[in-house]
Amino acid sequence: GEDVEQSLFLSVREGDSSVINCTYTDSSSTYLYWYKQEPGAGLQLLTYIFSNMDMKQDQRLTVLLNKKDKHLSLRIADTQTGDSAIYFCAESINDYKLSFGAGTTVTVRA
Amino acid sequence: NAGVTQTPKFQVLKTGQSMTLQCAQDMNHNSMYWYRQDPGMGLRLIYYSASEGTTDKGEVPNGYNVSRLNKREFSLRLESAAPSQTSVYFCASSYRTGQGANNEQFFGPGTRLTVL
Repeated sequence: GEDVEQSLFLSVREGDSSVINCTYTDSSSTYLYWYKQEPGAGLQLLTYIFSNMDMKQDQRLTVLLNKKDKHLSLRIADTQTGDSAIYFCAESINDYKLSFGAGTTVTVRA
Repeated sequence: NAGVTQTPKFQVLKTGQSMTLQCAQDMNHNSMYWYRQDPGMGLRLIYYSASEGTTDKGEVPNGYNVSRLNKREFSLRLESAAPSQTSVYFCASSYRTGQGANNEQFFGPGTRLTVL
């Protein structure tokens, strides 16, 4: 079955790095995604990684993929107050479906 | 480009009432989706439309119907609303190019629905 798991909460000090972890179950997933949701808003795609990659970097964001352990992580460097949001990990299940985790609420404290 | 738009933003219904949630995209995407978001449960797929003229059930289709009116528009209908349908509803779209291709989905701002 499909089950994406994430820890529910993360608190980080402004300026530190945040690491959000995710485990997924479908080894055939071709793409894995990170979305950000700010309060009262829809989901915004942050980044994605193709399954044949181990790492992808995009400015302050670094995605690491461990296919053997089905583990995905998102690192945000120099975390800012604007990074406070809910972060969702998602895996592609088939041609049409994305399976989402429950979301990790990141709180940035001064 | 407006991206994905949804109307209304908020709605309160009484049990048994019906309503239609509207969604439109201007990105020429061929696939469209309806999700519901409940606390602690992430997003669950209600229905999707792979291309104009086709619709398919997702994980939680009971109590809902959809219409893919044209390539741009995909509506979600609640025929007889129940309190269990209180949720935030998101429409999304994607430009799939084939099997195994990137299916990044673009989301609308959501409709917050309360059923009393």
